[in-house]
Amino acid sequence: SQQGEEDPQALSIQEGENATMNCSYKTSINNLQWYRQNSGRGLVHLILIRSNEREKHSGRLRVTLDTSKKSSSLLITASRAADTASYFCATDANTGNQFYFGTGTSLTVIP
Amino acid sequence: KAGVTQTPRYLIKTRGQQVTLSCSPISGHRSVSWYQQTPGQGLQFLFEYFSETQRNKGNFPGRFSGRQFSNSRSEMNVSTLELGDSALYLCASSSGMYSGNTIYFGEGSWLTVV
Repeated sequence: SQQGEEDPQALSIQEGENATMNCSYKTSINNLQWYRQNSGRGLVHLILIRSNEREKHSGRLRVTLDTSKKSSSLLITASRAADTASYFCATDANTGNQFYFGTGTSLTVIP
Repeated sequence: KAGVTQTPRYLIKTRGQQVTLSCSPISGHRSVSWYQQTPGQGLQFLFEYFSETQRNKGNFPGRFSGRQFSNSRSEMNVSTLELGDSALYLCASSSGMYSGNTIYFGEGSWLTVV
């Protein structure tokens, strides 16, 4: 399977702390996207990072990409209770708009 | 701009029946893809359509089919439903032909097969 894996599977932190999630994948990619999913809802796009980029920021989010290690990380700074959700990385399959999703990290932010 | 709209949001079907799910992409988006999400298998790609043509298909049996209309709206159909088809079915749309563009997801259709 070319599905990626997120690490850790579950993460529980206090409000105000930073949360870091990692994603590993198996094949070369053109880009990688991070998504958030609240329980039972659809996926919300967070950041797209291309294979020639190493780091990208969006508000409290920072994404890094290391293509040599086939890994990416998502950092959420100053977490809030509203950040409680599952986070997924998705890598393109080099065929159209097909993506492989990781197994997800379940983040709980305790107020 | 309206997002990706999926209907119905929830439905319950009996084994052996068939179901049709509908997806309206973001206006102007020509690519529509479908994913199945289950606790055991995670998010798995079903198929993608671009300008009414199926471009990619995931590893699902032939009971899963789809189509896209000239207005980019898409439907997926599952025939002869099995208990294991119970899942959240997510539709996503994108403006581009290739993966360099953001894909946007709908809220999904929850299918329960009893």
